[in-house]
Amino acid sequence: AQSVSQHNHHVILSEAASLELGCNYSYGGTVNLFWYVQYPGQHLQLLLKYFSGDPLVKGIKGFEAEFIKSKFSFNLRKPSVQWSDTAEYFCAVNAKGNMLTFGGGTRLMVKP
Amino acid sequence: EAGVTQFPSHSVIEKGQTVTLRCDPISGHDNLYWYRRVMGKEIKFLLHFVKESKQDESGMPNNRFLAERTGGTYSTLKVQPAELEDSGVYFCASSQDSLYVRTGELFFGEGSRLTVL
Repeated sequence: AQSVSQHNHHVILSEAASLELGCNYSYGGTVNLFWYVQYPGQHLQLLLKYFSGDPLVKGIKGFEAEFIKSKFSFNLRKPSVQWSDTAEYFCAVNAKGNMLTFGGGTRLMVKP
Repeated sequence: EAGVTQFPSHSVIEKGQTVTLRCDPISGHDNLYWYRRVMGKEIKFLLHFVKESKQDESGMPNNRFLAERTGGTYSTLKVQPAELEDSGVYFCASSQDSLYVRTGELFFGEGSRLTVL
């Protein structure tokens, strides 16, 4: 069955540190890949999406993600985090129909 | 533009009772989805409407769950009778385009937290 793995459940960083959150998926066919973020008390919102083309995708708030097909990965990165990046981050895959399969989420805490 | 709204934001009920969750999608979005997150685990797909028709209900856990979208506007998700394992956060989302096109994106509501005692 299709699955998405986020290896880090909790990450704590200091401001200005670099961030990389791992995401691996198990589906072997054509996929569309998403990163969503949920800030405290808010709704899930889209950070970025890979559809096709350039495997390096740039999103909002300085985030980017790289699609590596050979590794079935779509890791999220940000060179310098801010306190306001404290949130839960979700990787998701669309491989079939109109369904998203989500990873378990990564809680990021950025210390000021 | 108003986003996806869900009601109630939090519901606490006893095992065996009934709860109805409501979702109002973004105006003009034909696609409406229900997802659920139980106990901090993965957010899991429940079902997908296109207008008033159920396109995919493969994620519905059992027949205690009933989703409707009369008239193709708002949707309700009823749990009857509720069990302890139904506790979690129920997310509604809507989209204008399908997810498998470049512009496809889900817009989520803030979720309805259900606690079954």
